Amino acid sequence: QSALTQPPSASGSPGQSVTISCTGTSSDVGGYNYVSWYQQHPGKAPKVMIYEVSKRPSGVPDRFSGSKSGNTASLTVSGLQAEDEGDYYCSSHAGSESYVFGTGTKLTVL
Amino acid sequence: QVQLAQSGAEVKEPGASVKVSCKASGYTITNNYMHWLRQAPGEGLEWMGWIDPNSGRTNFAQKFQGRVTLTRDTSTNTAYMELRRLSSDDTAVYYCARVIHSGTYSWGYWGQGTLVTVSS
Repeated sequence: QSALTQPPSASGSPGQSVTISCTGTSSDVGGYNYVSWYQQHPGKAPKVMIYEVSKRPSGVPDRFSGSKSGNTASLTVSGLQAEDEGDYYCSSHAGSESYVFGTGTKLTVL
Repeated sequence: QVQLAQSGAEVKEPGASVKVSCKASGYTITNNYMHWLRQAPGEGLEWMGWIDPNSGRTNFAQKFQGRVTLTRDTSTNTAYMELRRLSSDDTAVYYCARVIHSGTYSWGYWGQGTLVTVSS
């Protein structure tokens, strides 16, 4: 399986919104509503921010939202805050009980 | 609360094997699959495989088939990942992770990570 495609970087000023895309195929992103987004800070384990395309785990601010259209999923962070800076990875169920990750996006809060 | 505590960092020579443990607390491991993932330095995340601790059934990403073994000890609530025939490409932080809750496909609980360094 090939990795899902994400932009290497994204940025925004505090209070702004930023959207990160995650493009796969009909065998992963397009074929299942099991896309997740993870935030990772340096030296830390990833933290799930969105699961099943658009659901937020308890404790995740509603500034984080997810969506999907065809083979592309998106994560939107509204009202950017300094603590949102970090690496973001999408992942998708890919059939046969397997999973694939995105290439990762470094989000910078200017 | 759910916690996953992994074993400490390892340094191995090329060709050797490594076994990483993941002790769960706050829940019984037989209730959820345990997944293993890894992240090479400066690189992205990579899913390796999972074990159903209830049955022992496993599933792996194609690139790891034949080289990784996942096991569990239900008496100690611990899962294990063994990777054989190590090369420098296997230098990475290895994570165990559990889904948010049964029926989901997202990892909501992670171990702290175990750094495995492969070097001669």
